[in-house]
Amino acid sequence: SAVISQKPSRDICQRGTSLTIQCQVDSQVTMMFWYRQQPGQSLTLIATANQGSEATYESGFVIDKFPISRPNLTFSTLTVSNMSPEDSSIYLCSVRQGVNEKLFFGSGTQLSVL
Amino acid sequence: DQQVKQNSPSLSVQEGRISILNCDYTNSMFDYFLWYKKYPAEGPTFLISISSIKDKNEDGRFTVFLNKSAKHLSLHIVPSQPGDSAVYFCAASVDQGGSEKLVFGKGTKLTVNP
Repeated sequence: SAVISQKPSRDICQRGTSLTIQCQVDSQVTMMFWYRQQPGQSLTLIATANQGSEATYESGFVIDKFPISRPNLTFSTLTVSNMSPEDSSIYLCSVRQGVNEKLFFGSGTQLSVL
Repeated sequence: DQQVKQNSPSLSVQEGRISILNCDYTNSMFDYFLWYKKYPAEGPTFLISISSIKDKNEDGRFTVFLNKSAKHLSLHIVPSQPGDSAVYFCAASVDQGGSEKLVFGKGTKLTVNP
């Protein structure tokens, strides 16, 4: 299974600032996915990041708010821009690998916005 | 509109007994179902899955049952162990224009008491 390193593991940020979350995978993968889990809610897909092209965003998520970079096949970043308390969530990076292409997750970034 | 529902936010069972976690879905196009387990401060990890062509899949202490007519699946853990205490997410998969998308429930927190 893929080993996914995500950092920071947690952060407390001020309203109006931005935070960039990094995701490093130990093998090359075509697609990387960014999820959000708000308190008491399900995991929701923010966007799919393909190397060499713009990320594909799900309904309700926009590039200006969640810009994503994918410079190579093992690395991606998600930026949470102009943060508000409603952005307080766990943000998770994930990739598909293996038989039936199971989804593997990083350990997540716990973000609190004051 | 939540397509995957886990109506029990929490469940408590005694060690050695059976744990039954339930999941309902509304989209009849879902063709693959998965259960993920999540410990605090860790990302979700894949536990077990089932294709819509089957009604049961077993892996050690874990069995998933699928009732397509009722749009219902359940995860049975027997015997339950304290180490099984975690949040369990049900997820369903549908092919969207050639790419597969996972839809998650809100999770059920299982506590297994020694």
